Amino acid sequence: GAGVSQSPSNKVTEKGKDVELRCDPISGHTALYWYRQRLGQGLEFLIYFQGNSAPDKSGLPSDRFSAERTGESVSTLTIQRTQQEDSAVYLCASSPDYTSTDTQYFGPGTRLTVL
Amino acid sequence: QKEVEQDPGPLSVPEGAIVSLNCTYSNSAFQYFMWYRQYSRKGPELLMYTYSSGNKEDGRFTAQVDKSSKYISLFIRDSQPSDSATYLCAMSVSGGFKTIFGAGTRLFVKA
Repeated sequence: GAGVSQSPSNKVTEKGKDVELRCDPISGHTALYWYRQRLGQGLEFLIYFQGNSAPDKSGLPSDRFSAERTGESVSTLTIQRTQQEDSAVYLCASSPDYTSTDTQYFGPGTRLTVL
Repeated sequence: QKEVEQDPGPLSVPEGAIVSLNCTYSNSAFQYFMWYRQYSRKGPELLMYTYSSGNKEDGRFTAQVDKSSKYISLFIRDSQPSDSATYLCAMSVSGGFKTIFGAGTRLFVKA
């Protein structure tokens, strides 16, 4: 079946602009994660959605970052007033359930470049 | 100090070599240990998964966990050029959803 998809695959924007990144998880997966991967660094947890529960936003680096998820489907990550340090690959992952023992299935990522 | 430390490499080996990739961690509550493989411009994919201490083997890959030393390893036997990728260790606590990832080690296997 279809895997996790993300769009756009690449995004170049100017400093100060807002950007919106989209994630389509695997159908039926209740858990959805957003991560940031800076060049040469590991995955940095941003936010976690589980079903209809309140999301865990503890990883969001600033109030310029926000995310939404419609039910158990599409999620969008919004970055307002982008800064050059926001340049990174933003990865989305979904898993069947909320426990950490469940495999996370990753999308290909959105490569964001802020000029 | 980071919760998970991993040497970013790069590590370059000839085809057929045995590769050893390692991570150390500081949180003794971690119980689930994973290795993800990430090809260039792709998302990570789960390669191996172990719980608590011990070894787990899957084909040419062996994952090893030493909780007393807070040290995990991934061994690749008979390495192939197709193994060239970034390998990320990851770990989490029991019942928790948050997975902590290492920085990843870039591996190059030369034909």
